[in-house]
Amino acid sequence: NAGVTQTPKFQVLKTGQSMTLQCAQDMNHNSMYWYRQDPGMGLRLIYYSASEGTTDKGEVPNGYNVSRLNKREFSLRLESAAPSQTSVYFCASTQANEKLFFGSGTQLSVL
Amino acid sequence: GEDVEQSLFLSVREGDSSVINCTYTDSSSTYLYWYKQEPGAGLQLLTYIFSNMDMKQDQRLTVLLNKKDKHLSLRIADTQTGDSAIYFCAEITRGSYIPTFGRGTSLIVHP
Repeated sequence: NAGVTQTPKFQVLKTGQSMTLQCAQDMNHNSMYWYRQDPGMGLRLIYYSASEGTTDKGEVPNGYNVSRLNKREFSLRLESAAPSQTSVYFCASTQANEKLFFGSGTQLSVL
Repeated sequence: GEDVEQSLFLSVREGDSSVINCTYTDSSSTYLYWYKQEPGAGLQLLTYIFSNMDMKQDQRLTVLLNKKDKHLSLRIADTQTGDSAIYFCAEITRGSYIPTFGRGTSLIVHP
């Protein structure tokens, strides 16, 4: 089992460019999440999907959109990247709100 | 809103025990977790405890839960340099889809 797989691992964007971060899980989990991690700020929830077909805003959704493509995949899109979106992004998934499993992260720099 | 608090840093000598503390505010918490994050990596679930338990032991790790004081601790026996990492406390409430994380405690193990 691969668990939670995120791509890409690293990305550099120019201000105003767009990109999509991909996340897939092979554990048949219902719920999936996108977090960002910044120094001193801990983990902040961007969006989550409680189940296939639903998405909801988290703590810091501005500047992002998400798509729950199917039960396995949950993507995060930056339509017009800004330097404030420089961060490490983590995808996570869980079944029945028990153990939360994380991907290895995407390090994004916006210049 | 619900809150999870941890101290930011802990420094210990190799071979000593480490105790990382966490307080939470939600009395309805059902699962409480400890995650470990090594540099450049995602969060790895170390251990977890159900709210109806007081203690859980897993090899060098001991988790203590004081529900009355809403206090969770993680004790690492015989701390090694490989234990140097950031440790996150997290909780989730039955019926909620959103785990709440502390900001993480950086454990530094020195010879």
